[in-house]
Amino acid sequence: DADVTQTPRNRITKTGKRIMLECSQTKGHDRMYWYRQDPGLGLRLIYYSFDVKDINKGEISDGYSVSRQAQAKFSLSLESAIPNQTALYFCATSDPLKAAYEQYFGPGTRLTVT
Amino acid sequence: QKEVEQNSGPLSVPEGAIASLNCTYSDRGSQSFFWYRQYSGKSPELIMSIYSNGDKEDGRFTAQLNKASQYVSLLIRDSQPSDSATYLCAVGSQGNLIFGKGTKLSVKP
Repeated sequence: DADVTQTPRNRITKTGKRIMLECSQTKGHDRMYWYRQDPGLGLRLIYYSFDVKDINKGEISDGYSVSRQAQAKFSLSLESAIPNQTALYFCATSDPLKAAYEQYFGPGTRLTVT
Repeated sequence: QKEVEQNSGPLSVPEGAIASLNCTYSDRGSQSFFWYRQYSGKSPELIMSIYSNGDKEDGRFTAQLNKASQYVSLLIRDSQPSDSATYLCAVGSQGNLIFGKGTKLSVKP
């Protein structure tokens, strides 16, 4: 089984809809991250969480919110989706006790907003 | 604004050749450096980490770090068509990773 899983893997939604992307991990890592990737723009950090009670905005948090339900679960919500949120979304984890900056990525969610 | 710069490519090399990928970074205080490989439509996969000046070898991959020049490189020896991917340079800074936009490598049979 994969260590970091993301659901759904693909999603098409309409402008204005609320959508939630979910991430689960079995690695036992405390730190979790949400990124989006757009062609030509690379990976950009949306939100990150160093533990269940510590959630921080990243470079591009506007239009997004997150919830850290447990050490193993970190969800990303788009409250009112817009077409420029069409992108590939990745969840990642890291373990600060071993190698704080080594991040391990989930398989990604391809989101299309029409 | 802390930045990580990479040549976007594409970098094309023949099978069996050495591929050389380069990266510069702006945060002089960074201490952790990584190379990720990303196949089209897939997630980034960590392939090398380096923390000290000099070279670090792992199989066909060698990472090189020069903190004084703020420069990181990745050499791939005996390149194979399966190495064709986008390679992302990432630098640790203030608890997070800053990614370059990646260099696309194409290895021609």
